[in-house]
Amino acid sequence: AQSVTQLDSQVPVFEEAPVELRCNYSSSVSVYLFWYVQYPNQGLQLLLKYLSGSTLVESINGFEAEFNKSQTSFHLRKPSVHISDTAEYFCAVSETSGSRLTFGEGTQLTVNP
Amino acid sequence: KAGVTQTPRYLIKTRGQQVTLSCSPISGHRSVSWYQQTPGQGLQFLFEYFSETQRNKGNFPGRFSGRQFSNSRSEMNVSTLELGDSALYLCASRLAGDYEQYFGPGTRLTVT
Repeated sequence: AQSVTQLDSQVPVFEEAPVELRCNYSSSVSVYLFWYVQYPNQGLQLLLKYLSGSTLVESINGFEAEFNKSQTSFHLRKPSVHISDTAEYFCAVSETSGSRLTFGEGTQLTVNP
Repeated sequence: KAGVTQTPRYLIKTRGQQVTLSCSPISGHRSVSWYQQTPGQGLQFLFEYFSETQRNKGNFPGRFSGRQFSNSRSEMNVSTLELGDSALYLCASRLAGDYEQYFGPGTRLTVT
């Protein structure tokens, strides 16, 4: 069985400040890791994913996440946030043998002017 | 290419009734998964269908069922609705052999 823990339920930051959203997972088998973003009244959008290769993965809008196998973490970071980054962010894992996603509880990122 | 579409977007039902939700995957995607999102339980996996066969099932009662048609469209049915079934139901599709899932906007079900 797998589980995902997002360590912060709410993260308020000021515009242009750096941010880190923390995610830890537990699994007895190899996993793939994902970050999804959800804007109000919308579905989930894939932000970035780790399947294999380089442990640092980047998205097109400036977010990055680093897979740390020894610490079983996949924290999401952005060096400078914008008002438009305000949303709920979900960390998720799936076993490499299947596609079923297990999600964390979500982190509400609020960027204030 | 059109994204995943779900109908209806909003639905209000009465306790005890049944409901059917529909999901049309991205063209070419043969796998469809369903998730339930609630404030208390978060996002939970319901089931996955691939080529009309259920491949995986989450920990939900038998009142929750689904099916997939030959054109990969999927429906989810909930019978004997309970107040706790009020949720956002999300559908996701993916290509065979790929692990990236594309989500639809969801159907907001309210049970009164």
